[in-house]
Amino acid sequence: DQQVKQNSPSLSVQEGRISILNCDYTNSMFDYFLWYKKYPAEGPTFLISISSIKDKNEDGRFTVFLNKSAKHLSLHIVPSQPGDSAVYFCAATPKDNNNDMRFGAGTRLTVKP
Amino acid sequence: DARVTQTPRHKVTEMGQEVTMRCQPILGHNTVFWYRQTMMQGLELLAYFRNRAPLDDSGMPKDRFSAEMPDATLATLKIQPSEPRDSAVYFCASGLALIRGQGLYTEAFFGQGTRLTVV
Repeated sequence: DQQVKQNSPSLSVQEGRISILNCDYTNSMFDYFLWYKKYPAEGPTFLISISSIKDKNEDGRFTVFLNKSAKHLSLHIVPSQPGDSAVYFCAATPKDNNNDMRFGAGTRLTVKP
Repeated sequence: DARVTQTPRHKVTEMGQEVTMRCQPILGHNTVFWYRQTMMQGLELLAYFRNRAPLDDSGMPKDRFSAEMPDATLATLKIQPSEPRDSAVYFCASGLALIRGQGLYTEAFFGQGTRLTVV
């Protein structure tokens, strides 16, 4: 049962443009959401997170938006750089168990020079 | 430079053999996770420990998988007997228990993974 879904397996963007990665979830108990970035042959690394009490969190070129009613979140990267090319995983944790972190299948982002 | 260390990085084994994967969490972290990455499912949570005690292993096939933390510096994931469908990259991650009152959260730090191939 995939509770966190990333329906786009891949995304290609031109350098300097905006990258938008999407994530949907089904479990209404999720209240904290994270994005991880993964390069080949490395483990995922934390990128940015958002609590359900907010609808936006910004960190430099990265912004995460949360739409609780739609059970949808997105990661915006502006401007995109070739070094951003990686697999991005969306993750979520429920209110009653912050260690039960569920991941989506990932989206491979390619930023072309 | 604190990091999660996993060994081995790669393992090729024959079906039916026992496989043991090891993880050294970051010193001071009290939560350890085991994840499996597959093409179809992304990162699947297999099990996690808090203060060395297993809190949830519902993601693991119980008949063949087992996870333990013999001490605070070592977590193990064992598969016996291994099957070709177990072929995947297995990640260990560690983190600190979260304080939720103000929406704060400490992210999990991942190791580089063990790529397991069962032939």
